[in-house]
Amino acid sequence: GAVVSQHPSWVICKSGTSVKIECRSLDFQATTMFWYRQFPKQSLMLMATSNEGSKATYEQGVEKDKFLINHASLTLSTLTVTSAHPEDSSFYICGGRVTVNTGELFFGEGSRLTVL
Amino acid sequence: AQRVTQPEKLLSVFKGAPVELKCNYSYSGSPELFWYVQYSRQRLQLLLRHISRESIKGFTADLNKGETSFHLKKPFAQEEDSAMYYCALSALLTWMDSSYKLIFGSGTRLLVRP
Repeated sequence: GAVVSQHPSWVICKSGTSVKIECRSLDFQATTMFWYRQFPKQSLMLMATSNEGSKATYEQGVEKDKFLINHASLTLSTLTVTSAHPEDSSFYICGGRVTVNTGELFFGEGSRLTVL
Repeated sequence: AQRVTQPEKLLSVFKGAPVELKCNYSYSGSPELFWYVQYSRQRLQLLLRHISRESIKGFTADLNKGETSFHLKKPFAQEEDSAMYYCALSALLTWMDSSYKLIFGSGTRLLVRP
């Protein structure tokens, strides 16, 4: 299957700093990238959907100014957590979609963010 | 509203026993449903989708529109089936460009005991 590489796998930062998480599709072109957040022992919550070359579509309740998503190319999407706070600590997962109008996604390994 | 419900957080069975992981959905459109699995220390991956009507690793799932359910079943559980299982619904993101988003249920942890 298609491979998505997510980096970093874990990061610790100080409160107030910004953190960037990268998601790369290694052997396919991800026309759409989905960003999820997972709290401990809870489900994956969709944060936003990004299409290459256009603005991301954020889910209700997700602050677009806090969680900046960029999808500059068909193989790279980034999530930047700006001015991070301890409540932003979580597990973030990206999923790339190959074919339009399908629910089959290829997921990255996830990134665990801890904000001190 | 679009919603996926998995009522069981944990399902524990003995090896060789039948398994059924429940999933119910709420969606006004024509649903496309999936089961994703996450084994220990591995990434989330697709197990099966209702459109394919296939059996993967002995698992099957039938879409029941009347009951709005998509339960995952396996007649004889194996220890290697122990994992986190997520039911997911592909829902229309926007009417403008007909793109879809994937909504997950809360997940069920399957534990198969020897």
